[in-house]
Amino acid sequence: GAVVSQHPSRVICKSGTSVKIECRSLDFQATTMFWYRQFPKQSLMLMATSNEGSKATYEQGVEKDKFLINHASLTLSTLTVTSAHPEDSSFYICSAKTGSGQFFGPGTRLTVL
Amino acid sequence: GQSLEQPSEVTAVEGAIVQINCTYQTSGFYGLSWYQQHDGGAPTFLSYNALDGLEETGRFSSFLSRSDSYGYLLLQELQMKDSASYFCAVRGKSSGDKLTFGTGTRLAVRP
Repeated sequence: GAVVSQHPSRVICKSGTSVKIECRSLDFQATTMFWYRQFPKQSLMLMATSNEGSKATYEQGVEKDKFLINHASLTLSTLTVTSAHPEDSSFYICSAKTGSGQFFGPGTRLTVL
Repeated sequence: GQSLEQPSEVTAVEGAIVQINCTYQTSGFYGLSWYQQHDGGAPTFLSYNALDGLEETGRFSSFLSRSDSYGYLLLQELQMKDSASYFCAVRGKSSGDKLTFGTGTRLAVRP
């Protein structure tokens, strides 16, 4: 089956620092990946669509200069949270699109102190 | 756009049957999906309804009625491990491959 990994699974950082989260499709190539954010006891909210070889498409209200997305290869997309603040603390989940649907990574828990 | 509403919490007893509803407002979509998510984990796909009617997959069944803008997930023979959050989701016809998730239902299964 389609497997998606994320790294790191958990990260704690100081306010003002930047954090990079990786999303990899392990056994398939994904031209499109998606990044979601999920606050405690809430639903998944789509942040952006990551397209290999082109610029990401951001959802309304998501700052593209704060959440940098790079999809440099068919198996890797990265999300960088720049100048992180406590309000950015959340569960970040990626998914990769295949012909049979979307498969989700295990998520990254970001805590900004 | 799309909006999907679900009850926030449901509690049921082990071995029972529970139904989780999803009512939606959408300008057009390909089908209704259901996902399960345990605390701190990834959403995992459970079921998909492209057409109206009932789809059965083991202990889980899902139903869709486009005329009523309504669907549900039915869980039978509940087990403790079914305690999780459940989300309905749609892929809108005007939104490409993007999934819009429902508000989510937290299911607690009691002994």
